[in-house]
Amino acid sequence: ILNVEQSPQSLHVQEGDSTNFTCSFPSSNFYALHWYRWETAKSPEALFVMTLNGDEKKKGRISATLNTKEGYSYLYIKGSQPEDSATYLCAPTSGDTGKLIFGQGTTLQVKP
Amino acid sequence: ETGVTQSPTHLIKTRGQQVTLRCSSQSGHNTVSWYQQALGQGPQFIFQYYREEENGRGNFPPRFSGLQFPNYSSELNVNALELDDSALYLCASSLSPGDSTDTQYFGPGTRLTVL
Repeated sequence: ILNVEQSPQSLHVQEGDSTNFTCSFPSSNFYALHWYRWETAKSPEALFVMTLNGDEKKKGRISATLNTKEGYSYLYIKGSQPEDSATYLCAPTSGDTGKLIFGQGTTLQVKP
Repeated sequence: ETGVTQSPTHLIKTRGQQVTLRCSSQSGHNTVSWYQQALGQGPQFIFQYYREEENGRGNFPPRFSGLQFPNYSSELNVNALELDDSALYLCASSLSPGDSTDTQYFGPGTRLTVL
């Protein structure tokens, strides 16, 4: 059973601050890592799918890196805005399947 | 928006009852996965359906069952409800059943409360 840990559990920042979160997962039998952003009362929104060690993906002010050898991924948000307030979930897949194994998420609150 | 819809939004049942939750996938997506999110946890995989057949199951008992229909809709059925079944149930549609890189598009979920 994959054990996926995200830290911190929650984060409060001021508008304009840059922030980052960590997702840790077992490095063995790695296939892919998915990042989702989930605003309250909405559907989880796919941000990135990452597969290669050293991969870096970017979407606007949000970027992510992947280290498959040591089993972690970082998500960065540059210049946080109130609309970035959401829960950010990471999910490696269980082997080469479509089964996502989610962490508990990091909840970000950005104060104006 | 993802194009994936779920109904109902909220549901209250009593222990021992049966419940059916519904999901409408994105057009063209022949794979649907169901997840349960209990309070304070990340979503947990229940099972996946591909072309109307179960294609993988998580650690959930047989009283959790599903159906998938040719019109991109699907159902999650839970029999003999227990208090611990209170959770948010999410469905997610995708193109390929066994592709670890395929993006899953989630619905907004159904909040089930069991009293």
